[in-house]
Amino acid sequence: DGGITQSPKYLFRKEGQNVTLSCEQNLNHDAMYWYRQDPGQGLRLIYYSQIVNDFQKGDIAEGYSVSREKKESFPLTVTSAQKNPTAFYLCASSPGTGNYGYTFGSGTRLTVV
Amino acid sequence: LAKTTQPISMDSYEGQEVNITCSHNNIATNDYITWYQQFPSQGPRFIIQGYKTKVTNEVASLFIPADRKSSTLSLPRVSLSDTAVYYCLVVISGGYQKVTFGTGTKLQVIP
Repeated sequence: DGGITQSPKYLFRKEGQNVTLSCEQNLNHDAMYWYRQDPGQGLRLIYYSQIVNDFQKGDIAEGYSVSREKKESFPLTVTSAQKNPTAFYLCASSPGTGNYGYTFGSGTRLTVV
Repeated sequence: LAKTTQPISMDSYEGQEVNITCSHNNIATNDYITWYQQFPSQGPRFIIQGYKTKVTNEVASLFIPADRKSSTLSLPRVSLSDTAVYYCLVVISGGYQKVTFGTGTKLQVIP
């Protein structure tokens, strides 16, 4: 079955460390997105990518970095510059033009210890 | 992108029909209205999308009046498993966009 796979499901990070969250899709979708969700809050857009080797900042990109070397993969790195990284991170993809439904992964819960 | 406004929370008893209304006064001609459902610790799931009048699928119905400044998601005969957060989004047709999900409406179904 096609879908989006995020790993790991739970991640613990020490202060000052960089960590990378994985996101892989086999839906052949052009666009991919990263969102952050804090308890009781909505989703805030971190980065998005429309095509390979291209990505744009969302509303809260500071302290994060991404790459899009393959259509299927859109990893997110949470750097030490992100002062409050503890959150639930969601990756999504969409076909792009002509169809606007987002498919989401199951999320990664990151905790700073 | 058109800003959306929806109630923060709603309660309903099992078996009742639930209607969640979303306001989007600044909706543009090419915008579609889309609803998502999110359970705790999961990613949102697409429920339904529409442009005008009424759309129905196996899960819900979406009612959109002629002026399109609001829309209503209707969930027939809710069960406990419908307890979730429901997000209303306005999305532009024909391209990519920076879609931000608001806080949504937290629906609590009561036995």
